[in-house]
Amino acid sequence: AQRVTQPEKLLSVFKGAPVELKCNYSYSGSPELFWYVQYSRQRLQLLLRHISRESIKGFTADLNKGETSFHLKKPFAQEEDSAMYYCALRASGTYKYIFGTGTRLKVLA
Amino acid sequence: DVKVTQSSRYLVKRTGEKVFLECVQDMDHENMFWYRQDPGLGLRLIYFSYDVKMKEKGDIPEGYSVSREKKERFSLILESASTNQTSMYLCASSSPTGGFTYEQYFGPGTRLTVT
Repeated sequence: AQRVTQPEKLLSVFKGAPVELKCNYSYSGSPELFWYVQYSRQRLQLLLRHISRESIKGFTADLNKGETSFHLKKPFAQEEDSAMYYCALRASGTYKYIFGTGTRLKVLA
Repeated sequence: DVKVTQSSRYLVKRTGEKVFLECVQDMDHENMFWYRQDPGLGLRLIYFSYDVKMKEKGDIPEGYSVSREKKERFSLILESASTNQTSMYLCASSSPTGGFTYEQYFGPGTRLTVT
């Protein structure tokens, strides 16, 4: 079965510290992986997708097919990074997403 | 900018009432989705639609139905609201974009409370 696992419900880090939000997936084919973010009082929005290989707001994520992971990383956390982060998978041949349960990131001053 | 709007931000209904949640997108997207967002459970897909009058069940369709009579509008219907349907409801739309596919654009959400 297709599944996305985010093991941490809450991650607290101090400003300037590195951040890693974990995401593991279960899918036998070639998935498309995404990170979505929801800031306080804002709508859920796309942060980045693995096929773009881009860095958005200092965040990067590398798809590791061997470990079936797509962890989100940032070298130096900022207070404005505090938000809810969701990892999502789109299986090939479909337009449905499977979302993880989300990780709330709190960046402390 | 893609705009996905939802008819209400907050809604309070009584048990047993029929509830309609409306979603409208203005980007001519083929696909539309309804999710529930609950703490600790993430986003769970209720129903989705890939064309007018076409719909498919998601992971948790029980107690819900949907309607898509026009491409831009996707309605979620709670036939007889129950307290366990108290939740945040998110609508989303998507379409292939160039070489990348199916980024989902979300509405602001409707927080439904059933008493």
